[in-house]
Parts: sequence; C-alpha cells; structure tokens
Amino acid sequence: GAVVSQHPSRVICKSGTSVKIECRSLDFQATTMFWYRQFPKQSLMLMATSNEGSKATYEQGVEKDKFLINHASLTLSTLTVTSAHPEDSSFYICSASVLSGANYNEQFFGPGTRLTVL
Amino acid sequence: GQQLNQSPQSMFIQEGEDVSMNCTSSSIFNTWLWYKQDPGEGPVLLIALYKAGELTSNGRLTAQFGITRKDSFLNISASIPSDVGIYFCAGRETSGSRLTFGEGTQLTVNP
Repeated sequence: GAVVSQHPSRVICKSGTSVKIECRSLDFQATTMFWYRQFPKQSLMLMATSNEGSKATYEQGVEKDKFLINHASLTLSTLTVTSAHPEDSSFYICSASVLSGANYNEQFFGPGTRLTVL
Repeated sequence: GQQLNQSPQSMFIQEGEDVSMNCTSSSIFNTWLWYKQDPGEGPVLLIALYKAGELTSNGRLTAQFGITRKDSFLNISASIPSDVGIYFCAGRETSGSRLTFGEGTQLTVNP
C-alpha cells in the first residue's frame, strides 16, 4: 500500500518559536496533500489542502499566516507552525492523495506529529 | 455544512463477539471510507466504498454503502484484542474533494 511518512514524530518547543513538520509520500507521487489537526479524544479536523506547485487552500478559521504550507514537489509537503503558542499543542497528521485503479483519489495518512508548546 | 453522525461513541465487548458501528450523513456522499486509528498513530484505511448498495469485505471486516447514499456501516466479526482502537468513517461528496470525518467509535475488546 501507499506509505506516507512524517518527521518529526514528536516535538517540544518553547512558546514563540516556529516548528516545521515534513510529510513525504515514499512510494508514490501525491497529487494532493492534506493537513489535519486532532485534539485528544476528538476527530480529525482538516486544516488545509495542498496541491504541488500552488498555494494551499485553508479551511475556515485556520490562519494561513500562522500555519505555512509549502508543497514543493509531488512527494513532499511541509507545515510550519509560526510563533507557536501552547494552544497550538496538538497531533498534526498529513495525508497524501493518490489515484487508485478506479481513478478515485484516496487519502493515505502519515503517522502524525505530536507538537507540545511549552 | 456537512455533518457525519457516527455511533456508538464507544463499545466495550468480549473477545470473539461481533461488532457493528454506523455513520449517517445529512448529505449524499459518493464515497464512504472506514479508517482505524491506534493511539499516537495516523488513521489506516480499512475499506473504501464507491457505489450505493456496495458490500465489501476485508478479512473479518465488512462494510456497506447505504442505498440512500447517506449512511454506511462497518461490522467486525469474531473480535480479537488487536481490534482495539478508534474507528472513523469518512465521506466524500465528489471525487478528489475533501473528506468529512465522523466523530469516531472507541472499541475496547476484553480478552
């Protein structure tokens, strides 16, 4: 199956610093990558949709200047949390979309990144 | 906006029992997906459904795409301890568009 990796798996940072999270599709080229945030005991909330070479589309309520997304290639997308604050502490998960045999685009998820802002 | 109601929120069962969970939507979906998430991990795709009425199995798992296109269920037969986790349904209105996730069903299997 399609494999998606994330790095780092866990990060602890001080308030006010910026953190970059990488999402890579390892064995396929992803047309689209998605970034989600998940708080404890809650479902996944889509933050933004990213297509290679174009600007990301952010969901309502997500600050694009705070959560910078770069999708430089078909196998790599990065999420940078700028000037992080404790309320940004969460589990960040990316997914990559690939064409299946039936031409449907399914999302395969990375293992997630646990961000803790002190 | 779209809403997905997933039930039950949690289940506590004995090993060997069958499990059933479902999702209903306020709008029509063209695709239904079922994912499992283990603690501290990303969701893993279990079953994908593309046609109304479609019934698909993956080992002990069976899922169906409701005829009305507004619901789906997932059954797990003969549960085992490694079935423990959170199960999410997800729906998509058109090909390539965003997914809407249900709230999840926390499954606990007692050996």
